[in-house]
Amino acid sequence: NAGVTQTPKFRILKIGQSMTLQCAQDMNHNYMYWYRQDPGMGLKLIYYSVGAGITDKGEVPNGYNVSRSTTEDFPLRLELAAPSQTSVYFCASTNGGYSGNTIYFGEGSWLTVV
Amino acid sequence: AQSVSQHNHHVILSEAASLELGCNYSYGGTVNLFWYVQYPGQHLQLLLKYFSGDPLVKGIKGFEAEFIKSKFSFNLRKPSVQWSDTAEYFCAVEDFGNEKLTFGTGTRLTIIP
Repeated sequence: NAGVTQTPKFRILKIGQSMTLQCAQDMNHNYMYWYRQDPGMGLKLIYYSVGAGITDKGEVPNGYNVSRSTTEDFPLRLELAAPSQTSVYFCASTNGGYSGNTIYFGEGSWLTVV
Repeated sequence: AQSVSQHNHHVILSEAASLELGCNYSYGGTVNLFWYVQYPGQHLQLLLKYFSGDPLVKGIKGFEAEFIKSKFSFNLRKPSVQWSDTAEYFCAVEDFGNEKLTFGTGTRLTIIP
């Protein structure tokens, strides 16, 4: 199984540019998440989705947008890139439902804004 | 809101030493608890999890963790570490019905051969 696939793996953006980080999962999971990881800060939740057509903000949503038109895909869009968005981004998914389901992570996308 | 504390930011050990990494959380309701590991250049992988039953849980690669509800703690242990355990370790907590994880800031573990 491919699991959670993220693209691109590395990207350099100029300030003010926009881009979309793609995330796809093939496990038919309802719940999908976008996290950013900054050194010494752990992972912070940006946005999440509990199913197609439903999205909600996490801890640090400013500067980002998401959509969930299908169960499989959960793209993250940066509209006007800023240096503060330099980070490693992880997409994740889970079956959902209260049973301590394991959350599966993608391999990460390293984004630098200069 | 839930918060997770990992007080050890960087731990350096020699091979065969014993390991204990601390994890404390703030909200005292029903929680699920996780330890994730991130090897250099790789994504996060589940090491072990607790959501009910025996508070001592065993994970992969000889790791275990003990849930002590009265102390809001879920410390990770390994009796004898190996060089290949060099990685970053994250504790995470899921509040009942929340379906979202709150992560600690991580502990970087360096094992010296």
